[in-house]
Amino acid sequence: DIQMTQSPSTLSASVGDRVTITCRASQTISSWLAWYQQKPGKAPVLLIYDASSLQSGVPSRFSGTRSGTQFTLTISSLQPDDFATYYCQQYSDYPWTFGQGTKVEIK
Amino acid sequence: QVQLVESGGGVVQTGRSPRLSCAASGFTFRSYSMHWVRQAPGKGLEWLALISYDGSNKIYTESVKDRFTISRDNSKNTLYLQMNNVREEDTAIYYCARDSVVATGGFDYWGQGTLVTVSS
Repeated sequence: DIQMTQSPSTLSASVGDRVTITCRASQTISSWLAWYQQKPGKAPVLLIYDASSLQSGVPSRFSGTRSGTQFTLTISSLQPDDFATYYCQQYSDYPWTFGQGTKVEIK
Repeated sequence: QVQLVESGGGVVQTGRSPRLSCAASGFTFRSYSMHWVRQAPGKGLEWLALISYDGSNKIYTESVKDRFTISRDNSKNTLYLQMNNVREEDTAIYYCARDSVVATGGFDYWGQGTLVTVSS
């Protein structure tokens, strides 16, 4: 199975901060990667697909990049609504696998 | 608008065989592959199974492939997950999710989830 390793596990930040979350795949997955946001008690929401494409309706402060097997989710200016847990997910090969999640907390 | 509504969760005894359902509306259900994903309490997300738009192709993660069965009834716009011989480690919120319409993979819509608690 392809392992997805996210870092950090927890991130403390303030409103207005630029936030970066990293996800590394254990093998090449091309750009077959998505990012999700999940708030407590809610289902995940798709933010980014194909590593860097913004899902319709998602604010433009969210962006994704790829460098080899390392992927990055960036929030350019953290907003109060962005405090949540973020997951990466690969869909290059079955079983599709998720990173362990990154919780973005209020500093 | 797209809606996915899961049902069938609750407290079940180990070894039992509950069936989860996911009622879909707001889109042409028969045109989309569908998935089940679960999340143990306080833990991360685990993809479980995929069924193709017409039910002809099914793929499972190894940990459930011999116990769980994904199926669908396109005439009823409903997705199912038959869980056999459940174990305490199957305790989780179970989500159904739609295959992304714009990407090669990923999930663009999720249900609200149904909690299955397995207890002896």
